[in-house]
Amino acid sequence: GAGVSQSPRYKVTKRGQDVALRCDPISGHVSLYWYRQALGQGPEFLTYFNYEAQQDKSGLPNDRFSAERPEGSISTLTIQRTEQRDSAMYRCASSLEPAVVKKLFFGSGTQLSVL
Amino acid sequence: DAKTTQPNSMESNEEEPVHLPCNHSTISGTDYIHWYRQLPSQGPEYVIHGLTSNVNNRMASLAIAEDRKSSTLILHRATLRDAAVYYCIPPSGGGADGLTFGKGTHLIIQP
Repeated sequence: GAGVSQSPRYKVTKRGQDVALRCDPISGHVSLYWYRQALGQGPEFLTYFNYEAQQDKSGLPNDRFSAERPEGSISTLTIQRTEQRDSAMYRCASSLEPAVVKKLFFGSGTQLSVL
Repeated sequence: DAKTTQPNSMESNEEEPVHLPCNHSTISGTDYIHWYRQLPSQGPEYVIHGLTSNVNNRMASLAIAEDRKSSTLILHRATLRDAAVYYCIPPSGGGADGLTFGKGTHLIIQP
């Protein structure tokens, strides 16, 4: 595709349910990043991958959050036993290759609302 | 990790230059300083990056202080479409490899 694609665009769930957020990066992009953004705040780094390998998961808030990228392309961010504080915009970004110059291309995000 | 200080908001008139300052006095490491912006209801987009000297591209110019403890993003002729939140992102200095965004500067452009 032309850009980073995220689905669903909106997700409303009840507290305690599990959710899976999908990210389809730009074709050929090696690096994939997950961010979370609360209203009025800048994006908060969660984790990132080079190919299928998760390089850094230091930003994941707790063990309810996990991410995978099994074939080095599409990635899934899973939140188990959702809580209201998990409500936020979840953004995925990709970049062509791991590099010190970080030109990230962001998707439109998934707006998660936990009731 | 280096901490950044940016004005919460700035206002400018259309067609005038805008200088967006950023203080990163605790900077460490030798990696690039990046600037991103986020238009309303969109994801962040890359603007420019630099290391030690001034940089220009089609979107903006970046002036970096000699000691690298501050930088200024320059929009030469602001348009209404430049209204956005601008993020200054210093090198992580050994922290996460993902870019660390702060709160940024909300740039308001008056017609």
